[in-house]
Amino acid sequence: GESVGLHLPTLSVQEGDNSIINCAYSNSASDYFIWYKQESGKGPQFIIDIRSNMDKRQGQRVTVLLNKTVKHLSLQIAATQPGDSAVYFCAEVKYYGQNFVFGPGTRLSVLP
Amino acid sequence: NAGVTQTPKFRVLKTGQSMTLLCAQDMNHEYMYWYRQDPGMGLRLIHYSVGEGTTAKGEVPDGYNVSRLKKQNFLLGLESAAPSQTSVYFCASSYGNQNTEAFFGQGTRLTVV
Repeated sequence: GESVGLHLPTLSVQEGDNSIINCAYSNSASDYFIWYKQESGKGPQFIIDIRSNMDKRQGQRVTVLLNKTVKHLSLQIAATQPGDSAVYFCAEVKYYGQNFVFGPGTRLSVLP
Repeated sequence: NAGVTQTPKFRVLKTGQSMTLLCAQDMNHEYMYWYRQDPGMGLRLIHYSVGEGTTAKGEVPDGYNVSRLKKQNFLLGLESAAPSQTSVYFCASSYGNQNTEAFFGQGTRLTVV
């Protein structure tokens, strides 16, 4: 069953296109920023992280961009696939206490 | 390798009843967390622990208690359940020590009627 409700921002993309999911964060003192993916009925799963002293980091088919000037984080997914359909959360964390503070999430729907 | 296991997966409680949610991890992680997830609000931290025998309050601790008597287990208790505690509860664990990857369980869907 669905684990989040009806008021999430939603992004719909065609299969094979690139997706860009955005997130605004609040704490300038956060040391790391992280993206998680949550499929329906499952717990969140780590995708990629970026340190606060970096602007860009690439993984397999994903790129995270950090703009500290405007406190903005984005996740780019290349060649989006049906299996990418999920809710994506950004999170910020400080080393001390390792408390992850999550954003409200964005639902990505991949259209055939 | 089971990772993070939550028990039970589903539960219906009557208002005023009590229950305990169990989280177990087999990765020797120091840090463990309990979150609740409500529609449109993402995940909110209830309580967390940075090691065996330690606990701390998160963003929304009221109405909940926790214990970390063993490193691998983190228990979340509801002493007197209220309808406002209807939610999906997730446990997570991490190595801590500047490691940012948290591993989540499958969630417990709790309904309080």
